[in-house]
Amino acid sequence: TQLLEQSPQFLSIQEGENLTVYCNSSSVFSSLQWYRQEPGEGPVLLVTVVTGGEVKKLKRLTFQFGDARKDSSLHITAAQTGDTGLYLCAGESASGGSYIPTFGRGTSLIVHP
Amino acid sequence: DSGVTQTPKHLITATGQRVTLRCSPRSGDLSVYWYQQSLDQGLQFLIQYYNGEERAKGNILERFSAQQFPDLHSELNLSSLELGDSALYFCASSVASGTSGPAETQYFGPGTRLLVL
Repeated sequence: TQLLEQSPQFLSIQEGENLTVYCNSSSVFSSLQWYRQEPGEGPVLLVTVVTGGEVKKLKRLTFQFGDARKDSSLHITAAQTGDTGLYLCAGESASGGSYIPTFGRGTSLIVHP
Repeated sequence: DSGVTQTPKHLITATGQRVTLRCSPRSGDLSVYWYQQSLDQGLQFLIQYYNGEERAKGNILERFSAQQFPDLHSELNLSSLELGDSALYFCASSVASGTSGPAETQYFGPGTRLLVL
């Protein structure tokens, strides 16, 4: 089983601060996704990265896929209370003709007003 | 609203019992994925169906089974329930089969919270 390690596990910051969360693996992934999950709801896809070194921006969120496609980071600029949630990274690896999704444990972010 | 519906929202049952969780995918989506989310294990992929056929298996116990019906809704059956089966169970759907990579966009339902007492 390919594991995705996310860090930090918990993050509590004030509104307006910047933050970065990390997703690391010893294995190569064909693609990697970031999700945000709010309490009582299912995860919602934020972005998919597929090319080593790729950088994608979604408003105040910047996603980067490592050159070797083993790691990724999510940077949030000027965090807002609406950014509060569980951030999950998920990688897919080929297995028996299908791509099996593997999720990290997540980073729980709380942004205080 | 992702367009994926799951019922029931909450389920409380006793050890040894059997329950069925139901999922209706987004209109037009052929793939259904089942996941289990617990505090100690995180979000774990259980099984995928595509257009009625099993496509991929993850960490699904033998006590658990699933199927996808001709109308594309899916059911996850959990039997001989144990305390450790208490978790959130999510269904997700996507348009394609997931065999062509990279990752297809999956749309998650709101989940079923199962509590085994």
